[in-house]
Amino acid sequence: EAGVAQSPRYKIIEKRQSVAFWCNPISGHATLYWYQQILGQGPKLLIQFQNNGVVDDSQLPKDRFSAERLKGVDSTLKIQPAKLEDSAVYLCASRILSGAYNEQFFGPGTRLTVL
Amino acid sequence: AQSVAQPEDQVNVAEGNPLTVKCTYSVSGNPYLFWYVQYPNRGLQFLLKYITGDNLVKGSYGFEAEFNKSQTSFHLKKPSALVSDSALYFCAVRAGYKLSFGAGTTVTVRA
Repeated sequence: EAGVAQSPRYKIIEKRQSVAFWCNPISGHATLYWYQQILGQGPKLLIQFQNNGVVDDSQLPKDRFSAERLKGVDSTLKIQPAKLEDSAVYLCASRILSGAYNEQFFGPGTRLTVL
Repeated sequence: AQSVAQPEDQVNVAEGNPLTVKCTYSVSGNPYLFWYVQYPNRGLQFLLKYITGDNLVKGSYGFEAEFNKSQTSFHLKKPSALVSDSALYFCAVRAGYKLSFGAGTTVTVRA
């Protein structure tokens, strides 16, 4: 079974520039998550999708961050414009819908550095 | 709101010795608890979970965890640590659909 795919793996940008990350979840996984992991901290949920609908985006800084999952499969997360404090690893995870407490499967992450 | 505390930033043990990584939680309702491990430049990998049933849960790579409701703890254990167990370990609690992570504990196993 293929895992969660993310690209790019690394990205370096200047502040005020824009950046986009892509995630392809495990086939058949209806639920998709984006997390931000700042160095020295645990992952923090940014947004959760179920199929192509948003379940929770309460922690997403909507003035600069946006995410979509148009066809209920892969997803993109965008930051526009980026700030220095956005430097972090952005993790995508997916989970099968059935079985309320099944674990999430994580991708390798995208390490963003904002200069 | 649910939360998780991992009181130790770092744990250092010698290879072959027992390894314990501590976790305490706070949640209203039944706790659903998870442990994940993160190797450098990799995503999080699932180790084990407690949903209900036996308080001792066995997981991947020889790890186990003990759920203690009265102490609201879910400590991760391994009887004999390996150098390859050196990594960052996260405890997480799920309430509803949301998973909340602790800050992580860095485990270093010396040869």
